[in-house]
Amino acid sequence: NAGVTQTPKFRVLKTGQSMTLLCAQDMNHEYMYWYRQDPGMGLRLIHYSVGEGTTAKGEVPDGYNVSRLKKQNFLLGLESAAPSQTSVYFCASSYQNTYGYTFGSGTRLTVV
Amino acid sequence: GENVEQHPSTLSVQEGDSAVIKCTYSDSASNYFPWYKQELGKRPQLIIDIRSNVGEKKDQRIAVTLNKTAKHFSLHITETQPEDSAVYFCAAMVGSSNTGKLIFGQGTTLQVKP
Repeated sequence: NAGVTQTPKFRVLKTGQSMTLLCAQDMNHEYMYWYRQDPGMGLRLIHYSVGEGTTAKGEVPDGYNVSRLKKQNFLLGLESAAPSQTSVYFCASSYQNTYGYTFGSGTRLTVV
Repeated sequence: GENVEQHPSTLSVQEGDSAVIKCTYSDSASNYFPWYKQELGKRPQLIIDIRSNVGEKKDQRIAVTLNKTAKHFSLHITETQPEDSAVYFCAAMVGSSNTGKLIFGQGTTLQVKP
């Protein structure tokens, strides 16, 4: 039981490049979330999913897209990376909508 | 929109002292309030949570109190130890939907001096 796994752990992108962050969970959780963490700003919700095939926008969705084709996977895409997207990205999942999250180990992304 | 304010941003205590972190939230429909601890370079981990039908919850040296009328909740750590040093985040679940979305506070960096 690996919990929530994020890949990659580190990445450096050039401005304008694209990439996809993968989040995989093996706990059969319905709910999945992508947050970004920046110094002094806590964790801010980018996009989330309440089940396979569903996605919705969070607080800071601009510049990101997501997909949840399979229940266990939640992908976060950056189509054209910008320096403002330099951050640590955390994926999280939960069993029900009234339970706490299990977080992945994070992806540290730098856009130069 | 929904908002969670957390204070203080930094807190330094001597080993053995108590530490208190306070949060206020704006969504009166919020009904679930977890606290997370994040050590340097690690993922946030749930340490305690409280639901709106309970005023206080305790787990060994950690306790959380909730005042729904005032819309604030607090984390209390007693007999602090150096391993309690970390960043602590409070959160409130958005109550007006079934999405399970959490709104996080800005975080408190706790330093416990030996």
